[in-house]
Amino acid sequence: QKEVEQDPGPLSVPEGAIVSLNCTYSNSAFQYFMWYRQYSRKGPELLMYTYSSGNKEDGRFTAQVDKSSKYISLFIRDSQPSDSATYLCAHNTDKLIFGTGTRLQVFP
Amino acid sequence: DTAVSQTPKYLVTQMGNDKSIKCEQNLGHDTMYWYKQDSKKFLKIMFSYNNKELIINETVPNRFSPKSPDKAHLNLHINSLELGDSAVYFCASSFSSYEQYFGPGTRLTVT
Repeated sequence: QKEVEQDPGPLSVPEGAIVSLNCTYSNSAFQYFMWYRQYSRKGPELLMYTYSSGNKEDGRFTAQVDKSSKYISLFIRDSQPSDSATYLCAHNTDKLIFGTGTRLQVFP
Repeated sequence: DTAVSQTPKYLVTQMGNDKSIKCEQNLGHDTMYWYKQDSKKFLKIMFSYNNKELIINETVPNRFSPKSPDKAHLNLHINSLELGDSAVYFCASSFSSYEQYFGPGTRLTVT
């Protein structure tokens, strides 16, 4: 079992939709929870991180962590074609452990 | 004003050859990393250096040898390349382990 699991998608939604991306993890020692975004043929870039359970909002993006069920989510409101990318959840102990990524496509 | 740069961007080579990938960061970070991303987009850490000192060495074949001449540079040398080494290799740097800045990647194809 991988330490971090993600549905690989692809997830295809129309512009303006609310997108929910999900991740489960197995190691309770994880403290920080991150979402990285990776455009095609580019390096990943940090989108959001959160340290604790609960929600964290940044513009159209909301990260949600539920440590009791070891589940994290990223919600994207009013999705745009420019949001089309692979979204990688990640957690850390002494290093980053990435999920396999979910490919999102937002069509006009 | 590129933050993390890698050269080359593409590398096509034959099995058995030796090749190097170079990485430089101008962010003033103390820690640098090498990651491998396979064809299924799974991103896995290989090595991490802090101030030129190796601090993470995952179970990577010893054909892979990282070298950090100074804290702004981290190179990766690969001996006796194999077909399974084909992947995208990313360099990254950071102050903290969770906020890492990635380079554009080096797409290695071994034929």
